[in-house]
Amino acid sequence: AQSVTQLDSHVSVSEGTPVLLRCNYSSSYSPSLFWYVQHPNKGLQLLLKYTSAATLVKGINGFEAEFKKSETSFHLTKPSAHMSDAAEYFCVVSADTGRRALTFGSGTRLQVQP
Amino acid sequence: DVKVTQSSRYLVKRTGEKVFLECVQDMDHENMFWYRQDPGLGLRLIYFSYDVKMKEKGDIPEGYSVSREKKERFSLILESASTNQTSMYLCASSSPEGQGFDEQYFGPGTRLTVT
Repeated sequence: AQSVTQLDSHVSVSEGTPVLLRCNYSSSYSPSLFWYVQHPNKGLQLLLKYTSAATLVKGINGFEAEFKKSETSFHLTKPSAHMSDAAEYFCVVSADTGRRALTFGSGTRLQVQP
Repeated sequence: DVKVTQSSRYLVKRTGEKVFLECVQDMDHENMFWYRQDPGLGLRLIYFSYDVKMKEKGDIPEGYSVSREKKERFSLILESASTNQTSMYLCASSSPEGQGFDEQYFGPGTRLTVT
């Protein structure tokens, strides 16, 4: 079985300061890990994906995430927040090889203050 | 670009009504999925399909059924809508295994209210 825990339901940062959204996972297999973003009234968009190549993954809009197997973590970071980053972010795992579905975390809502 | 469309953005139905939610994708993807999204719970998988006329139950299939008669179309059916099915419903599609099947493309969602 696999699961995902997003450690913060809400994160608030000031524009121009770093962003850290935390995610821990549990999986019986070597996982694929993703971050998706959902802007208000928009569909989910893939930010980045880890599939056992480089442990530091770069995504769109300046986001990146580091896979740490020893800590079972896949935290999302960005050096400098922009107002347009305000959205809900989902950490996602795909590891059950018998299923083609994803397991989503509960989401972290990022607020960016001017 | 992959496009996944859903028939309605907002829907209001009465308790006991039969409800159809339609999803269409234009990238010839084998796999299609239905999720519901509720605050604080993330997305939960209702059903998925990996081929025409094939379906598998997800984590919360109770009260729902699905239909996949054509490759591009995947329908979610609420046989008798109840108030606890008020939610945002998201459809997704993905490529077959070995071709980046993990990456799913999502539609904009249908916000269903059952009164």
